[in-house]
Amino acid sequence: DAGVIQSPRHEVTEMGQEVTLRCKPISGHDYLFWYRQTMMRGLELLIYFNNNVPIDDSGMPEDRFSAKMPNASFSTLKIQPSEPRDSAVYFCASRPGKANYGYTFGSGTRLTVV
Amino acid sequence: QKEVEQNSGPLSVPEGAIASLNCTYSDRGSQSFFWYRQYSGKSPELIMFIYSNGDKEDGRFTAQLNKASQYVSLLIRDSQPSDSATYLCAVNRGGYQKVTFGTGTKLQVIP
Repeated sequence: DAGVIQSPRHEVTEMGQEVTLRCKPISGHDYLFWYRQTMMRGLELLIYFNNNVPIDDSGMPEDRFSAKMPNASFSTLKIQPSEPRDSAVYFCASRPGKANYGYTFGSGTRLTVV
Repeated sequence: QKEVEQNSGPLSVPEGAIASLNCTYSDRGSQSFFWYRQYSGKSPELIMFIYSNGDKEDGRFTAQLNKASQYVSLLIRDSQPSDSATYLCAVNRGGYQKVTFGTGTKLQVIP
């Protein structure tokens, strides 16, 4: 299994530009999570999906952030317009449907907004 | 009060010693507890999980849970320099799918 695949690995963009982060979860995993990690705040849950349906987006910081999961093998996190304070590492993680399983994380996207 | 609290460290231990990492949580409804290891510049990887009070051992790792005290710990025996990383405690409320992470404890194993 290739694990959770994220792209791009690094993204540098100018303030005001649109940024799209991509994730392919592990096949058969029913849950997909988007996290953001910064030194100051650690890992913060942004949104999670169950069977492609968004369940909880209370962690999305503001309307500039949006996430979709059009099918079981693909999800996107979009920031529009981007701001310097959005600079962070964004992780996607997935897990099976059974309760109490830990997550498998992707390798992350390091986003820098200048 | 933070939902999951960890001492940020760094915790420095000599090679071969026991490293003890601690975590407290605020929600008494929490039912699942996880320890992740994160090397610098890498993603977190799951190393242990525990649901019941007491100890759970896996190789050199032992997770300890005390729900009455809302406390979970990770012991690493015979610490190796390769164990040097940040260790994240994560907590899940029963019936809820999302997990809350602590900010992590940085462990340094000195050769």
